[in-house]
Formats: sequence, structure tokens, C-alpha cells
Amino acid sequence: QSVLTQPPSASGTPGQRVTISCSGSSSNIGSNTVNWYQQFPGTAPKLLIYSNNQRPSGVPDRFSGSKSGTSASLAISGLQSEDEADYYCATWSDSLNGWVFGGGTKLTVL
Amino acid sequence: EVQLVESGGGLIQPGGSLRLSCAASGFTFRSYLMHWVRQAPGKGLEWVSRIISDGSSATYADSVKGRFTISRDNAKNTLYLQMDSLRAEDTAVYYCTRGGGHSDWGQGTLVTVSS
Repeated sequence: QSVLTQPPSASGTPGQRVTISCSGSSSNIGSNTVNWYQQFPGTAPKLLIYSNNQRPSGVPDRFSGSKSGTSASLAISGLQSEDEADYYCATWSDSLNGWVFGGGTKLTVL
Repeated sequence: EVQLVESGGGLIQPGGSLRLSCAASGFTFRSYLMHWVRQAPGKGLEWVSRIISDGSSATYADSVKGRFTISRDNAKNTLYLQMDSLRAEDTAVYYCTRGGGHSDWGQGTLVTVSS
């Protein structure tokens, strides 16, 4: 059972906008910034969003992040087939004194 | 270009020990906090440990506290993870990551704990 809660799956058709939620508590998301990672099968995760809503260079602006209270969201607009991957949220937990990850969301492009 | 290359994984019996290494290049290693993150087969990501830039302080997940030790050699640009008293549930791909927000990841090294 992960400290951060994500839906196990999400789906959309090409061109659609999809959002993935990440729910936490006051000791993690509520008091720290959130990162999002993208992982393709058999490969290492890649940083997609940092500090709630910042994109590293090279990440398309179709990807955006937001945070409100103890929850965060990743939005993907103009969905493309190559976006099919697993997505993880993560943040620091003050109570656990360590990083915590969501359980991951498998995104399927129909 | 930032490169992180893990090594040292393999098959080990329960109760055994293993030391993982992560060779870093393409950035000023001694300036960065570093982590180990693992992923059990077919499962999600789990943070394992972090060490600050000068190596003087480290933090561990409860699941590995007292069994794993993170360290670094800034002269060799290398991060380590000493894993003792290994259990079946430690079976995973182990990644080293750079910086407070895990901005860069290595390709991972597989550790399999089984008799």
C-alpha cells in the first residue's frame, strides 16, 4: 500500500486530455512539492514534472502539473500513442523522513 | 551529459550481502545529494536511501534501516549501497538517482534474493 494514492489505470484516445491524480496528506504533499516521473517498460523512470508544475528542458508542454492542498495532478493534453507508459508521483514525507512514491498509473492510449 | 551507471547486482541467497556501485559522470558529483530507489518486479517505485553531498549524513526507508548502508567516494565519483541480511523482498531493480528531486536515473541493476 503506497503512501500516495494514484489510480492504477487511465486511458484516452489520441488528441484527448487526460489527468492523473495523486492524493496524499498534510505531512507529504501538503507540505512539500511534487514530482512526476514517466516510465516505459523495461527502462528507467524519467523526470517529467518537478516542483509541482515545472518541466525539465525537453519535456513537451503537453505535460503539465498542479497541486492543491494534499493532492496533485498530472495533465496530458493532445494525447499521443507514445505517451503510453506508467506515471508516478513522488514527494518528501516529513513524518517518514523519506521520499514517498505513488503506486503508479498505467496510461493506455486507445 | 549526466551518466549514472549501476553495477554489482546479481543472485544472492537470503541472509547474504551485496554491494552496489553507481559510477557518476557529466556533472560535479561532490555537489549533489544522491539516492537509491528500487523497483520490485512488476511493482512500483520505492525510495531506499539518500546521502548528502559530503557524505556526512544519510537517511533510510524503514524497510532497509539497520541492514543497508549508503556511502559515497567523491574522489571516485561513485555512490555505493552495502546491502546486508538480504531478504526475498529485497529482490528488485536498484536505481541510483541524482539530486533532491531525482532529476536523473541510472539504468538500474537487478538484485535477486533467492535460495
